[in-house]
Amino acid sequence: GQNIDQPTEMTATEGAIVQINCTYQTSGFNGLFWYQQHAGEAPTFLSYNVLDGLEEKGRFSSFLSRSKGYSYLLLKELQMKDSASYLCAVVSGTYKYIFGTGTRLKVLA
Amino acid sequence: GAVVSQHPSRVICKSGTSVKIECRSLDFQATTMFWYRQFPKQSLMLMATSNEGSKATYEQGVEKDKFLINHASLTLSTLTVTSAHPEDSSFYICSARGQRSTYEQYFGPGTRLTVT
Repeated sequence: GQNIDQPTEMTATEGAIVQINCTYQTSGFNGLFWYQQHAGEAPTFLSYNVLDGLEEKGRFSSFLSRSKGYSYLLLKELQMKDSASYLCAVVSGTYKYIFGTGTRLKVLA
Repeated sequence: GAVVSQHPSRVICKSGTSVKIECRSLDFQATTMFWYRQFPKQSLMLMATSNEGSKATYEQGVEKDKFLINHASLTLSTLTVTSAHPEDSSFYICSARGQRSTYEQYFGPGTRLTVT
C-alpha cells in the first residue's frame, strides 16, 4: 500500500530551527514535494527533491534519502508567519500526488 | 505565471441541491487537473484526476455519480456535487498540471462548501 507519515503537530520558538520529518512507502517514486498551507488557503510550493541530498532555498532546506524512504524540511530563523501546516507529497508512478498527513507547526513568541 | 483560480470561493447550499465549482488555469494550458477535498485539520485527499476531453479517473471510494467532473477545455474543469448532504461540507481544492511542467501541480485557492 501507499503510506506517508508526518508528525501531527510541532511547536517551536521564534528564531529557532525546526525539522519536520516525512517517511514514505509508495509503489512508485518520481520525487517528493513540500508545501506550506495556511488555514483556509491553497498549498504553496516550498521544494521538490528527486535525487538524494539537501536542497537549500533561503531559510528553508529539504533533504531526501530514497533508500530510506525519508525526507525532512528544515526551517531556520523561525518567524511567526511560519505557523502553518506543512505537507509532504510523493509523486507516485503517475503524475498523482500522495499527500502525507500534514504537520501543523505552531511558532511561539 | 502558473495561476489557477477557483469559483466560487465560498458557497452555502441546501441539502439535496447541486453545486458546481469551477477551476481555471489562467495563464497556461492544463493537460491534467486534479480535485482534492480537505476536512478540518486533515491533509488533502485526492478525489479524481481529469484530462481534457476524456473521462475523469476517480479514486477508490469516491462516488462518480455524486461528484461529476468535466474537463471541457485545456483551461477549465468543473466539479459538480450532486444531491449534496451535510457530510459533503468540506474544502475543495483543484490543481492543474501544465503541458510543459514536469510533476509540479499548481493549486487553486479552494472552495469552502457548506451544506445546510
